[in-house]
Amino acid sequence: GAGVSQTPSNKVTEKGKYVELRCDPISGHTALYWYRQSLGQGPEFLIYFQGTGAADDSGLPNDRFFAVRPEGSVSTLKIQRTERGDSAVYLCASSPGRLYQETQYFGPGTRLLVL
Amino acid sequence: AQSVSQHNHHVILSEAASLELGCNYSYGGTVNLFWYVQYPGQHLQLLLKYFSGDPLVKGIKGFEAEFIKSKFSFNLRKPSVQWSDTAEYFCAVSGTASKLTFGTGTRLQVTL
Repeated sequence: GAGVSQTPSNKVTEKGKYVELRCDPISGHTALYWYRQSLGQGPEFLIYFQGTGAADDSGLPNDRFFAVRPEGSVSTLKIQRTERGDSAVYLCASSPGRLYQETQYFGPGTRLLVL
Repeated sequence: AQSVSQHNHHVILSEAASLELGCNYSYGGTVNLFWYVQYPGQHLQLLLKYFSGDPLVKGIKGFEAEFIKSKFSFNLRKPSVQWSDTAEYFCAVSGTASKLTFGTGTRLQVTL
């Protein structure tokens, strides 16, 4: 079946604006993750959902960042009052969610540029 | 807190050369170890993983990695690289929590 999809693929916004990034996981996967990858770095964990609930949001950098997954499938990462330092590639991954030892499957990412 | 170190930031090899990329991790409990690869213009994909059992794991495209617990290492190897192996390689670790902690990545450039 289809892999993890993310929209938009690219997003350019101005400092102070609000943005939403969408992730569509692999069908049937109950675990969903958001990561952020800055230039020259590896992906950094932001938040993990098991079903509809955020099981671990310890990676969210501050309260400008928020994520939801209301029906346990699609997730939206929301960033308020964007700052230039938020510019990065935002990655989404999903896994079946039955075991803690699972492979995470990554989407292509959304490249966010804050001017 | 868990962490991952990849000491080789940029590696340049000729085709048919052997490859070894270093990965060291810091974590106090049982670990799960991964190597992911990102080819130019493509998304991250799993190369291989170690959960338990035989510490020598084989992945796709002729890659293998060895988990050495006493050294906290999970180095990636390939006996003979190809031009198509040009990519960025990321080592990652997870524990009982599902989140992955990644290293900073190694950019491999294979020349003809």
